[in-house]
Amino acid sequence: DVKVTQSSRYLVKRTGEKVFLECVQDMDHENMFWYRQDPGLGLRLIYFSYDVKMKEKGDIPEGYSVSREKKERFSLILESASTNQTSMYLCASTSLGLEGEKLFFGSGTQLSVL
Amino acid sequence: DAKTTQPNSMESNEEEPVHLPCNHSTISGTDYIHWYRQLPSQGPEYVIHGLTSNVNNRMASLAIAEDRKSSTLILHRATLRDAAVYYCILRRGSARQLTFGSGTQLTVLP
Repeated sequence: DVKVTQSSRYLVKRTGEKVFLECVQDMDHENMFWYRQDPGLGLRLIYFSYDVKMKEKGDIPEGYSVSREKKERFSLILESASTNQTSMYLCASTSLGLEGEKLFFGSGTQLSVL
Repeated sequence: DAKTTQPNSMESNEEEPVHLPCNHSTISGTDYIHWYRQLPSQGPEYVIHGLTSNVNNRMASLAIAEDRKSSTLILHRATLRDAAVYYCILRRGSARQLTFGSGTQLTVLP
């Protein structure tokens, strides 16, 4: 089975800190995604990457950046964390360009910014 | 992007079939219909997808209307473990990403 692993299940940070959320997948997938999930707002796409060193903005990229130095790893970076970035963050991966190919999600990282 | 409309919540009794509806009246010819579900404290998981024909797998069945403007996810015998938020999503054939709506919260009563 495909495994998408997020480095932390729970994370507590202070306002202004630089935060790294790590995601690793073990199925050689080209595409990787970062979503955030908030009550009443559903899942919203922050950034995605379709190849190493390639990235594209999703629907809500402001305040975030990403890094994809290796195919299996996709990092989400909060340059200066703010309280409105308190959320559940979900990483996902999928194969390239196959119509209907399914997304595999990690278990999520619940980030609290104090 | 074409949007989907789902009821906010539904209830079902354990061991009975569940029909979860989804409307997508602005669907285009290249849009695939995907269903995902999210169990409590977990990331979403794939359930099923289809384009035009009805589909079956070990988890569920997907019934697609002839005009493709609506679809129904069918759980043949609901269990307590099926209690989750179910998302109906359209994915354009060339697109890499999925856009999630707010989904349907399914409650299964013992």
